[in-house]
Amino acid sequence: EPEVTQTPSHQVTQMGQEVILRCVPISNHLYFYWYRQILGQKVEFLVSFYNNEISEKSEIFDDQFSVERPDGSNFTLKIRSTKLEDSAMYFCASSPGSEAFFGQGTRLTVV
Amino acid sequence: KQEVTQIPAALSVPEGENLVLNCSFTDSAIYNLQWFRQDPGKGLTSLLLIQSSQREQTSGRLNASLDKSSGRSTLYIAASQPGDSATYLCAVVRWGQNFVFGPGTRLSVLP
Repeated sequence: EPEVTQTPSHQVTQMGQEVILRCVPISNHLYFYWYRQILGQKVEFLVSFYNNEISEKSEIFDDQFSVERPDGSNFTLKIRSTKLEDSAMYFCASSPGSEAFFGQGTRLTVV
Repeated sequence: KQEVTQIPAALSVPEGENLVLNCSFTDSAIYNLQWFRQDPGKGLTSLLLIQSSQREQTSGRLNASLDKSSGRSTLYIAASQPGDSATYLCAVVRWGQNFVFGPGTRLSVLP
């Protein structure tokens, strides 16, 4: 069964460094999303991507964040100048337009 | 702005019990409602998708209902098992927009 794949599963980074989180969505899906979940808190929306551009973004998704679909299959989230409060589980999701399918997440720890 | 709540926040039951998890949302103009399961430190596994034109969906021991007019959905789990122990999340979406998640119900099924 097709699945959304995220790499790495866990990343530790120093405060101020840049990280790139990678996702391979399910092929033929049209909508792509990034969400995050701070430990013990709700799953929060960051950004959605459709037709090779951002379709919606939350107030969390400021200039520190960017997304790309560099080669038509991968979908990346870049976090510049990481802060301690960026420590969270980051989830990628894809959808054909109805049901959403989530990856297993990348646990980002900023030290 | 869409707000999603879930009751109860936590539930502990003996094995074999039937149980009901509740999800409420403030904006009834939704396109889909989706129930997910999340194991500790893991990703989101889709359980059931209910489209706005549907009133319920069933998968094995799980049954989810949707009442858009009242802004409510319930997830019914029959004959609970210890393997059902996890956090259950509901999420709603409007067409072309992002999924809004509830805080989840943490279920513990005791052997």
